[in-house]
Amino acid sequence: AQSVTQLGSHVSVSEGALVLLRCNYSSSVPPYLFWYVQYPNQGLQLLLKYTSAATLVKGINGFEAEFKKSETSFHLTKPSAHMSDAAEYFCARGGSARQLTFGSGTQLTVLP
Amino acid sequence: NAGVTQTPKFRILKIGQSMTLQCTQDMNHNYMYWYRQDPGMGLKLIYYSVGAGITDKGEVPNGYNVSRSTTEDFPLRLELAAPSQTSVYFCASSYLDIDYGYTFGSGTRLTVV
Repeated sequence: AQSVTQLGSHVSVSEGALVLLRCNYSSSVPPYLFWYVQYPNQGLQLLLKYTSAATLVKGINGFEAEFKKSETSFHLTKPSAHMSDAAEYFCARGGSARQLTFGSGTQLTVLP
Repeated sequence: NAGVTQTPKFRILKIGQSMTLQCTQDMNHNYMYWYRQDPGMGLKLIYYSVGAGITDKGEVPNGYNVSRSTTEDFPLRLELAAPSQTSVYFCASSYLDIDYGYTFGSGTRLTVV
């Protein structure tokens, strides 16, 4: 079965530090890949998406992700964390019938 | 432009009661989805629709039903509510194909007691 694994259910970083959220997918064929962010009591918002056009994908709010086929990874990074980045982040992959399969999420805490 | 609108935002049900979660989108999206979100479990697909009159089961369809009579509306019906259905429910829609990503509603928090 196609799956998405997010390593680390909770990640804490200091304000101004590098943010790295990890995502690995299972597939022999590069899929469509997405990162979503969820702020408290809100729905999910699309941060960025990979659709095979470029391996380094830039998204909103200074986030970017790099698709690495050899590692089956799509890790999310941001050079300098802001307090406003505190949220839950979900990695997702496209599958058959145009459905998304989501990882279990990573809660990002930003410390002052 | 309202996007995806879900109602109600909160609801408490007693075991055995029924209810319908409403979802409406105004973007003329063909694809619509219902997910449930449980702590530490990510989002699980309940049902989806690729157009009016066409629906199909997702990963966790038991205890739920859907219909899609119009492009705009995709209600989710819970029959005989059970405590296991306590969750946050999200409706989403997408334009034609998966590479556009989804637009999500703000969710319905349901508690079954």
